[in-house]
Amino acid sequence: DGGITQSPKYLFRKEGQNVTLSCEQNLNHDAMYWYRQDPGQGLRLIYYSQIVNDFQKGDIAEGYSVSREKKESFPLTVTSAQKNPTAFYLCASTPLGNQPQHFGDGTRLSIL
Amino acid sequence: SQQGEEDPQALSIQEGENATMNCSYKTSINNLQWYRQNSGRGLVHLILIRSNEREKHSGRLRVTLDTSKKSSSLLITASRAADTASYFCATDSNDYKLSFGAGTTVTVRA
Repeated sequence: DGGITQSPKYLFRKEGQNVTLSCEQNLNHDAMYWYRQDPGQGLRLIYYSQIVNDFQKGDIAEGYSVSREKKESFPLTVTSAQKNPTAFYLCASTPLGNQPQHFGDGTRLSIL
Repeated sequence: SQQGEEDPQALSIQEGENATMNCSYKTSINNLQWYRQNSGRGLVHLILIRSNEREKHSGRLRVTLDTSKKSSSLLITASRAADTASYFCATDSNDYKLSFGAGTTVTVRA
């Protein structure tokens, strides 16, 4: 079955530590996105990529970094510069154009 | 930036009743999409309505779009317990990015 896989489901970060969230898709989609969701709120865009080896900042990119070395993969690193990383992180993908986005089941990140 | 705003924030209905939620947005759009999110899960796409469409149906879902008022509504008819979820509208402009609202939490009581 085609879909998006996010791992791990739960992640804990220590003070000063960088952590990387994985997102893999086998839908052959060109565009991939990372969102942050805080309790009771909507999704805010962190980074997005429309093509391999290219990505753009979203609305809340500070403290995060991404790479897009393969079409299937779009990992997100939450750096120590992100002082409030506790949130639910969602990855999505879509064919280029104004198409619906397909979402993974998220990674919940907490601070130890 | 978050463009869509859903109303109400929360809705509790009896099984079998209809649920209506609204979405307002600020700038012109290419299309508007509705998504569902079950607790602790990712979003699932429900329906997409283009800016030149006024109404769209999918099963028990009915979506309307009024571009003059910059608003949309989602109606779920004959609700079921499985419809308990949060519902989000998302607007799509010219840059392949979606702007999501804060969502409406729907609880369907048995």
